[in-house]
Amino acid sequence: SAVISQKPSRDICQRGTSLTIQCQVDSQVTMMFWYRQQPGQSLTLIATANQGSEATYESGFVIDKFPISRPNLTFSTLTVSNMSPEDSSIYLCSVVFGETQYFGPGTRLLVL
Amino acid sequence: RKEVEQDPGPFNVPEGATVAFNCTYSNSASQSFFWYRQDCRKEPKLLMSVYSSGNEDGRFTAQLNRASQYISLLIRDSKLSDSATYLCVVIPISSGSARQLTFGSGTQLTVLP
Repeated sequence: SAVISQKPSRDICQRGTSLTIQCQVDSQVTMMFWYRQQPGQSLTLIATANQGSEATYESGFVIDKFPISRPNLTFSTLTVSNMSPEDSSIYLCSVVFGETQYFGPGTRLLVL
Repeated sequence: RKEVEQDPGPFNVPEGATVAFNCTYSNSASQSFFWYRQDCRKEPKLLMSVYSSGNEDGRFTAQLNRASQYISLLIRDSKLSDSATYLCVVIPISSGSARQLTFGSGTQLTVLP
């Protein structure tokens, strides 16, 4: 299995600021993803983090708002830019290892 | 119509009861199906894959009905530790290398002593 860690685990931020979330995997993986889970909702894919190229964003998500880095096969960052209260959510990093998709513990973000 | 729909519950059942959840999906080209479990304030974790012929893992049985486009999860002899939210996950035929998990909104189960 793959072990995923995320930092920070939670944060409270002021609107208009930005937060960068880090995701570290204990194995090299080709596919890394970023999801959002809003309160009481299911998971929504934000983007696929591609190593060596730009991230691939899903409908409704743009690079200016959610810039992503993927410098190597074990690490990725997601930045939530110019935050508003609507960005309050849990942000989860996810990887495919073998045939199974694993999720990080999540970053709980509250924007005031 | 949502791509994946689940009864949100909550299902409150006594210990030892049998409980079943259904999940319907709208994309007939969906290829792979899973049940994930998410404990309160935790990340989702794979519970089991769902195979066309149906599959069983201990007290858990998963079934797929392609004609009616639904999958089910049956839990027998419920334990207190089964209390969680169960997420139905569907993957359409993939294009390129992307693995597009589509999540249902989850069914909340509480097993009562």
